[in-house]
Amino acid sequence: AQSVSQHNHHVILSEAASLELGCNYSYGGTVNLFWYVQYPGQHLQLLLKYFSGDPLVKGIKGFEAEFIKSKFSFNLRKPSVQWSDTAEYFCAVSYGSTLGRLYFGRGTQLTVWP
Amino acid sequence: SQTIHQWPATLVQPVGSPLSLECTVEGTSNPNLYWYRQAAGRGLQLLFYSVGIGQISSEVPQNLSASRPQDRQFILSSKKLLLSDSGFYLCAWNPSGRKTQYFGPGTRLLVL
Repeated sequence: AQSVSQHNHHVILSEAASLELGCNYSYGGTVNLFWYVQYPGQHLQLLLKYFSGDPLVKGIKGFEAEFIKSKFSFNLRKPSVQWSDTAEYFCAVSYGSTLGRLYFGRGTQLTVWP
Repeated sequence: SQTIHQWPATLVQPVGSPLSLECTVEGTSNPNLYWYRQAAGRGLQLLFYSVGIGQISSEVPQNLSASRPQDRQFILSSKKLLLSDSGFYLCAWNPSGRKTQYFGPGTRLLVL
């Protein structure tokens, strides 16, 4: 069965530190990859997505992610975090033929101290 | 522009009581609609999805049901709530044929 793993459940960083959140998915084939973010008290929002092409994708607020097919990974990165990045981050995957069904990881709570 | 609404935002219900959560999407037609649940410490789990009026697919057999009486309305129901139904329920939509889903604000349900 398809699954998505986020290895870090809670990450605590100081402002200006670099961030990398891991995401691995099972099963090969055509994948569509997403990172969503949920700021406190707000909707789940799309941060970035990858469908095809350049495996390094850039999203909003300075985030980027790299798709490494051989490792079944789609890690999220940001060179310098800010206090406002405190949120919960979800990795999600859909597969080419499954009508948009998303498989989510458990989420990573990021806390950034000023 | 398209918007998605869910209500209520928060709900506290006793065990055995019925449930009805509503989701509506504005500014689009014939969307795909989804219900997800997030239990504490766990990722989002797809419960139901719909590609059109009256068309419901269930991903996880359980105490819940869904209906789509109108093109942009998606309802999550239960006849008798269980303690294990507590969680955060999210409705999502995407344009038919597109891959990116957009989420509503969610309903936090506590069953006591």
